[in-house]
Amino acid sequence: DAEITQSPRHKITETGRQVTLACHQTWNHNNMFWYRQDLGHGLRLIHYSYGVQDTNKGEVSDGYSVSRSNTEDLPLTLESAASSQTSVYFCASSEYRGAWETQYFGPGTRLLVL
Amino acid sequence: GENVEQHPSTLSVQEGDSAVIKCTYSDSASNYFPWYKQELGKGPQLIIDIRSNVGEKKDQRIAVTLNKTAKHFSLHITETQPEDSAVYFCAASILSNTGNQFYFGTGTSLTVIP
Repeated sequence: DAEITQSPRHKITETGRQVTLACHQTWNHNNMFWYRQDLGHGLRLIHYSYGVQDTNKGEVSDGYSVSRSNTEDLPLTLESAASSQTSVYFCASSEYRGAWETQYFGPGTRLLVL
Repeated sequence: GENVEQHPSTLSVQEGDSAVIKCTYSDSASNYFPWYKQELGKGPQLIIDIRSNVGEKKDQRIAVTLNKTAKHFSLHITETQPEDSAVYFCAASILSNTGNQFYFGTGTSLTVIP
């Protein structure tokens, strides 16, 4: 079955280190998104991509970067991890850029920055 | 930008009773309203959605209503069961020149007491 996977599922890192979270989808969806989930804030958009070589900043993009070299993957990089980036990260994808297009979420990566 | 508020933040009901979760949004351009269910340790899963040209939608025990004039929409779960216990998120989507942006509520933790 087609799906969206994230790895690792759990990660502990130290302040200042570079961290990359992987997201892989087998639906052949054009659009991919990264969100972070924090208590009291719901899901907030970090970066998104509407296709290969396309990337865009979301609401909370500072300190994060993404690249899209193929349809299936959108890795999220924390350039220099900070304690404020301790969170649960979710990747999502959708097929089209239409008005009523639903997003489908991965299982999440729990990141702890010490 | 869009602001989505969700209430209540926690909700406990007896098995068999109904549960109602309410969301309001600020931007009248929002035109798509999905609801997600998130179980512990998992990613959000779409359970029902409604488009701006529809006032109500029902799927078995779950229904969603939309009042565009008042800018609010609600999730109704009837005959609740213990497996309905989860965190529920509402979202509002706006289609702009750059694509379909989702704005999420802060979540409602629903507990169904057997």
